[in-house]
Amino acid sequence: EPEVTQTPSHQVTQMGQEVILRCVPISNHLYFYWYRQILGQKVEFLVSFYNNEISEKSEIFDDQFSVERPDGSNFTLKIRSTKLEDSAMYFCASSGHRTGTGELFFGEGSRLTVL
Amino acid sequence: QQPVQSPQAVILREGEDAVINCSSSKALYSVHWYRQKHGEAPVFLMILLKGGEQKGHEKISASFNEKKQQSSLYLTASQLSYSGTYFCGTGGNNNDMRFGAGTRLTVKP
Repeated sequence: EPEVTQTPSHQVTQMGQEVILRCVPISNHLYFYWYRQILGQKVEFLVSFYNNEISEKSEIFDDQFSVERPDGSNFTLKIRSTKLEDSAMYFCASSGHRTGTGELFFGEGSRLTVL
Repeated sequence: QQPVQSPQAVILREGEDAVINCSSSKALYSVHWYRQKHGEAPVFLMILLKGGEQKGHEKISASFNEKKQQSSLYLTASQLSYSGTYFCGTGGNNNDMRFGAGTRLTVKP
């Protein structure tokens, strides 16, 4: 069964460092998403991406964050200068449809720890 | 704007039923339900695309009242495997989906 894969599974970084989280969505999917979950809390929407551009972003997704699809298979989330409060599990998701009409397939997540 | 879920937590004995509610202050085009087990990714349960639609998945079903901007998830004859956190996600006209804060369900033997 096709799946969304994320790397790394866990990353530890120092405050102020740049981090790139990588995702390989399901191959025929067109819509891509990043969500964040702080330990024990809700799953928060960060950004959606379609047709090589951001389609929606939340208030969390400020100038420190960026996304790109560099090569047609990977979908990356970059945090330019990490803060302690960026520590969380980051989930990538993909779908064959807009969120109004189709299931999201989630990856296993990348746990980011900022020291 | 994210939907509001209730209750925040439920504890059941095996075989008991539960209802989880989800409501939104804005017009809904769809409601998604996901279950997340501890340390894992959310897993899709079902999507409801139009008002009044009811869907079922094993002994888990859901309804969607578009007029009231509400959805409910029904878990009947609960099993130990149903334990986890249930999230509703609401889709508006934009390509984003916001999840509620979750309902933690614990099923005990």
